[in-house]
Amino acid sequence: LAKTTQPISMDSYEGQEVNITCSHNNIATNDYITWYQQFPSQGPRFIIQGYKTKVTNEVASLFIPADRKSSTLSLPRVSLSDTAVYYCLVGPTLTGGGNKLTFGTGTQLKVEL
Amino acid sequence: EAQVTQNPRYLITVTGKKLTVTCSQNMNHEYMSWYRQDPGLGLRQIYYSMNVEVTDKGDVPEGYKVSRKEKRNFPLILESPSPNQTSLYFCASSLLRTGRSDEQYFGPGTRLTVT
Repeated sequence: LAKTTQPISMDSYEGQEVNITCSHNNIATNDYITWYQQFPSQGPRFIIQGYKTKVTNEVASLFIPADRKSSTLSLPRVSLSDTAVYYCLVGPTLTGGGNKLTFGTGTQLKVEL
Repeated sequence: EAQVTQNPRYLITVTGKKLTVTCSQNMNHEYMSWYRQDPGLGLRQIYYSMNVEVTDKGDVPEGYKVSRKEKRNFPLILESPSPNQTSLYFCASSLLRTGRSDEQYFGPGTRLTVT
């Protein structure tokens, strides 16, 4: 499985756009990029998944350059409730040969007033 | 409401006393999995199941057992718990659907302390 590197922590203010970049130089052809969010003492929650270019849903956007060696999770107009740990995961999908999620240490995002 | 439930949420036990943590999902998901989360180590997979009667080891299976007799349930069994199994445990499930994103749904967690 491709190893991921992301910042340990980030700080932001309410209303700002937050971009968290994840590096995955050894990404394989059949790997997807997935982001999860976790609040203290709660299970992780799926945010978004993509393979290439740009994916957008109601909570975030995911930007993946052509070489796929990195990706950026973009959270528009964050609020205090977005304070959480964000995990970048890289691997095949469950129907594409994968069987698990491999979590790294994540990025602790702190949003202040 | 679509959800993954775990019981108990909190458990303090003693070394060697067998215990079972239950996990149930109401979404008809084929895939289920158990993770443990420890400070500085992130989430690590213990066991997973791709469907009924199909289970396999994850990254840290030692000291644990699982079974998948029904699609909705995936209990985690600690036959002889030891203090190094003190951890926060999460159960997760997912629908297997080719070409769609892999969204895993996690339970609320079970905090286990083994003394």
